[in-house]
Amino acid sequence: NAGVTQTPKFQVLKTGQSMTLQCAQDMNHNSMYWYRQDPGMGLRLIYYSASEGTTDKGEVPNGYNVSRLNKREFSLRLESAAPSQTSVYFCASNSAGGPSYEQYFGPGTRLTVT
Amino acid sequence: GIQVEQSPPDLILQEGANSTLRCNFSDSVNNLQWFHQNPWGQLINLFYIPSGTKQNGRLSATTVATERYSLLYISSSQTTDSGVYFCAVADNYGQNFVFGPGTRLSVLP
Repeated sequence: NAGVTQTPKFQVLKTGQSMTLQCAQDMNHNSMYWYRQDPGMGLRLIYYSASEGTTDKGEVPNGYNVSRLNKREFSLRLESAAPSQTSVYFCASNSAGGPSYEQYFGPGTRLTVT
Repeated sequence: GIQVEQSPPDLILQEGANSTLRCNFSDSVNNLQWFHQNPWGQLINLFYIPSGTKQNGRLSATTVATERYSLLYISSSQTTDSGVYFCAVADNYGQNFVFGPGTRLSVLP
């Protein structure tokens, strides 16, 4: 049981480049989330997906797109990276709708945009 | 939306000391979790505790939902307890999670 996995672990982009961050979970969870964490701060929600086929904006969605590919996978895309998107990105999942909403996090992707 | 505050922002302890971390939230919640972010950045689940009291070894947590706060107790602290402790809550729809700013704990040998 791998839990929540993310790829890549590290990435450096130039301003204007695009990339997709991948996330997968093997816990049969309905809900998946993308967060960003800037230095010295808490996590902020970018987008979430309450179930397969649905996505909703969180607190800081500008500059990002997401795709809930299937129940296991939830990707985050930066179409035109900007230095302000330098951050650590975390994916999470939970079984919302079940008896517990406990969230489980992946190891994070450290992204630097130059 | 829900506002989450944590106190204290920073805490320095000698190994073996006890501590209490506090999380206040501004509205009714149906999900509250405590996490430990270790120095390598990994987020570790400590407690899922929307109400009541739980204990796990040297750590315990209490949430008083009617008064909108939660407490995390660390007893006999160890250097491996160092890191940042986050409280996160979700509203009654359970989907939009909000994190507090964290408490940075340093345990000195």
